Amino acid sequence: SQQGEEDPQALSIQEGENATMNCSYKTSINNLQWYRQNSGRGLVHLILIRSNEREKHSGRLRVTLDTSKKSSSLLITASRAADTASYFCATVFTGGFKTIFGAGTRLFVKA
Amino acid sequence: EAGVVQSPRYKIIEKKQPVAFWCNPISGHNTLYWYLQNLGQGPELLIRYENEEAVDDSQLPKDRFSAERLKGVDSTLKIQPAELGDSAVYLCASSLGAGVGMGTDTQYFGPGTRLTVL
Repeated sequence: SQQGEEDPQALSIQEGENATMNCSYKTSINNLQWYRQNSGRGLVHLILIRSNEREKHSGRLRVTLDTSKKSSSLLITASRAADTASYFCATVFTGGFKTIFGAGTRLFVKA
Repeated sequence: EAGVVQSPRYKIIEKKQPVAFWCNPISGHNTLYWYLQNLGQGPELLIRYENEEAVDDSQLPKDRFSAERLKGVDSTLKIQPAELGDSAVYLCASSLGAGVGMGTDTQYFGPGTRLTVL
């Protein structure tokens, strides 16, 4: 399967703590994106990191990309209860046009 | 600006019955996607349109699934006949389309249609 794999599958933390989610993929990519999905809703785009970038920030989000290890991580700092959601990495493989989503990490932030 | 609109939000049908889902993308978005999302999984692409042309339908089970995007705007996805295994959430998304080939297109998702086949 070309699908990215997120790790962990589920994560439960206290409000104020940091949450780290990882994504691994199998073949070279053009870019990698992270999306969030609240329960019963559609996915919302969070951040895009290009294959020639190593780190990117957006508010409380920090994304890293290591193309040599074929992995990316999403860090949410100072988490809030509203961050409770599923987080998916999405990749388009080099030479391809199809966006492949991972199975997601389910984050639960306890107030 | 209105987001991607999908209807119905929920649908319960008996197996072997037909069902149809409708999607209205964001105005000006050339690319439209239909995804299937099983419980606890990420979305899986069924079909992608560039304007009114289906450019990637390799994952669409063509024996029972069909889709159309007339005039390059709204789209419908149909299942006939539905099977028990079709129970899932069907998501529609749209994007501008300029960066599809490089994976830089941001996709905007609708809320989905949750299908239950009994």
